[in-house]
Amino acid sequence: GAVVSQHPSWVICKSGTSVKIECRSLDFQATTMFWYRQFPKQSLMLMATSNEGSKATYEQGVEKDKFLINHASLTLSTLTVTSAHPEDSSFYICSARRGGLGLGGRAAGELFFGEGSRLTVL
Amino acid sequence: RKEVEQDPGPFNVPEGATVAFNCTYSNSASQSFFWYRQDCRKEPKLLMSVYSSGNEDGRFTAQLNRASQYISLLIRDSKLSDSATYLCVSDQSGGSYIPTFGRGTSLIVHP
Repeated sequence: GAVVSQHPSWVICKSGTSVKIECRSLDFQATTMFWYRQFPKQSLMLMATSNEGSKATYEQGVEKDKFLINHASLTLSTLTVTSAHPEDSSFYICSARRGGLGLGGRAAGELFFGEGSRLTVL
Repeated sequence: RKEVEQDPGPFNVPEGATVAFNCTYSNSASQSFFWYRQDCRKEPKLLMSVYSSGNEDGRFTAQLNRASQYISLLIRDSKLSDSATYLCVSDQSGGSYIPTFGRGTSLIVHP
C-alpha cells in the first residue's frame, strides 16, 4: 500500500482561486519532503524542499509567495497554489525519504512518492 | 548543462528484446543513484537502486560507472508491461542531498 498519500488527486479550479494539496507520510516520519512539478513529456522539476518546523527552501525561479509550503508536522506537508492561473496547470508530486540521512550525512532510505495531483486551472 | 541527462527515446522494441538505457550525471559528488519507473499519469515508483558493484533484480540489471559518470539499466526479455518511462535519479543537487531527476527515457514494447 501507499506510504505517502497525496490529496486531492485531481482538481479543476477557476483562475484566481487558491488550491491546497496535502502530502502525508503514512507510516514513517518525514522531516523533509520534496515538492515537484511535472509538465507533459518533461522531467520532474524540484520546486521546493519542505522542512518540518522551518521555512521551505525554494528552487530558483519558483515564487515562494505563490507556492506556499507548510510542513507543520512530521507527517504532513501542504502546498498551496495561490491565485492560480492556467500556466500553473500541471502535475504536482510530493515525495518523502524514509530514513533521512545516514552515516556521514549521506542520503539513506528509499524515496516514496505521493500519487500526484493534477491541477487544471481554467 | 543539466545535472542528470537521459535520452528521451522513445525506444521501441519487440517483446523479448534486450534494451539498455544510459544516464549521465554531472555532479561527481553524487553518492546514490536510482532508477524509477513512471507510468503515464502516475507517480514514479522505485525500480532499483544502483550500487557501485552493480546489481541485478530478475530481468533488470543496473550498473554504475563513476569514472565516466554514467549509470545504466539493462532490461532483458522485455515484456509488454515494461512499457513506461524510466527515470534516472541522482541524490545530489548543488551539494545537497536532494533527489534530481533526468527527464526520463520512454520505452515501448510491442508484440
